[in-house]
Amino acid sequence: DGGITQSPKYLFRKEGQNVTLSCEQNLNHDAMYWYRQDPGQGLRLIYYSQIVNDFQKGDIAEGYSVSREKKESFPLTVTSAQKNPTAFYLCASTNPGTVRDTQYFGPGTRLTVL
Amino acid sequence: QQQVKQSPQSLIVQKGGISIINCAYENTAFDYFPWYQQFPGKGPALLIAIRPDVSEKKEGRFTISFNKSAKQFSLHIMDSQPGDSATYFCAASMSGTASKLTFGTGTRLQVTL
Repeated sequence: DGGITQSPKYLFRKEGQNVTLSCEQNLNHDAMYWYRQDPGQGLRLIYYSQIVNDFQKGDIAEGYSVSREKKESFPLTVTSAQKNPTAFYLCASTNPGTVRDTQYFGPGTRLTVL
Repeated sequence: QQQVKQSPQSLIVQKGGISIINCAYENTAFDYFPWYQQFPGKGPALLIAIRPDVSEKKEGRFTISFNKSAKQFSLHIMDSQPGDSATYFCAASMSGTASKLTFGTGTRLQVTL
């Protein structure tokens, strides 16, 4: 059963803490993405990676960090430098050049800062 | 800078009616325009997509109309059903940019009985 999994589904963070959101895909996709979703603002790109051990900043990368050590995994760390981290975080993946730009999304992680 | 503007923000349609959501873009380099459907608490799912070499694409009850000169595209949902109640996002991307998508702000559709 192929797809994208994200964990946890809900995450609570105290101010000043770093937290890591997991994203795993078994679709054999080369590219992976992290988006942040806020009410009324659509989806905004945080980071993306086209190949293992390489990633680029998106539009709102400040306060976030990522790694891409394996093709199937792209974890996102929300650092204490992110001033307003409460949001719904979505991971996506695709294979550019095939059914191009069909990004498949995971179920999301809702992060709340206490 | 918002490059894809979506309207309306919310929409209420009676069952059996036509739902219409509009998007306008600024960057003429965009060459792929997908629409995503998202249910509460779930990730978005691709609904239908179009490229600028055609003016219309239809899949079942869903149709995209594309106007390249006006830099606008719209989603039409025919015979709207309560199960269509969701948030819809338009998006755009351009070749050579790692398939990055620029999203509109979303339209919350409610289909009433």
